[in-house]
Amino acid sequence: GQSLEQPSEVTAVEGAIVQINCTYQTSGFYGLSWYQQHDGGAPTFLSYNALDGLEETGRFSSFLSRSDSYGYLLLQELQMKDSASYFCAVRDFGNYGQNFVFGPGTRLSVLP
Amino acid sequence: KAGVTQTPRYLIKTRGQQVTLSCSPISGHRSVSWYQQTPGQGLQFLFEYFSETQRNKGNFPGRFSGRQFSNSRSEMNVSTLELGDSALYLCASSSGQGTSYEQYFGPGTRLTVT
Repeated sequence: GQSLEQPSEVTAVEGAIVQINCTYQTSGFYGLSWYQQHDGGAPTFLSYNALDGLEETGRFSSFLSRSDSYGYLLLQELQMKDSASYFCAVRDFGNYGQNFVFGPGTRLSVLP
Repeated sequence: KAGVTQTPRYLIKTRGQQVTLSCSPISGHRSVSWYQQTPGQGLQFLFEYFSETQRNKGNFPGRFSGRQFSNSRSEMNVSTLELGDSALYLCASSSGQGTSYEQYFGPGTRLTVT
């Protein structure tokens, strides 16, 4: 089968650092992506890791360990506007060819 | 560059009817993917079209179908609607090249089946 696991909710205060973890079990793997979705909005692409290690994009960083089937999204200097749902996603091999599989999402609440 | 557009934004249909949703990708993008998003099941992949061909397909019944035109615009059709088809339908466009899958999502079509 194919599955991704993320914490359902995370809460942090403005200015803090938060880490959202993602573990996956897939029969194939092309890389791990992260998306942000505000309530009522469309998902927006944040980052992509094809190789092990850390990718940094401004306040956001993403990490991947393929041997551990694990990745995380790190958000620094949290702002109120970072309150949203965050999804990890992998491309996997399914019964009908390649599938795009999303995790259940982590709802981040940033408190003042 | 204009973003991904989807029409209509909201739709109310009755069980048994069929519906067609439209998606216009970012100019120059040749890949369009469709997703269904519900509170219970999350984001689920329906299918991907690349250069007018269905390249990938998710685990949905045959009532869900799609196509892509030569200008990369895509439509998806759901026939014999069921109550469980009520969802936000999102399309995403990308270049479709290489292993990077940075996707740009449209605002979605909110479908309600009564």
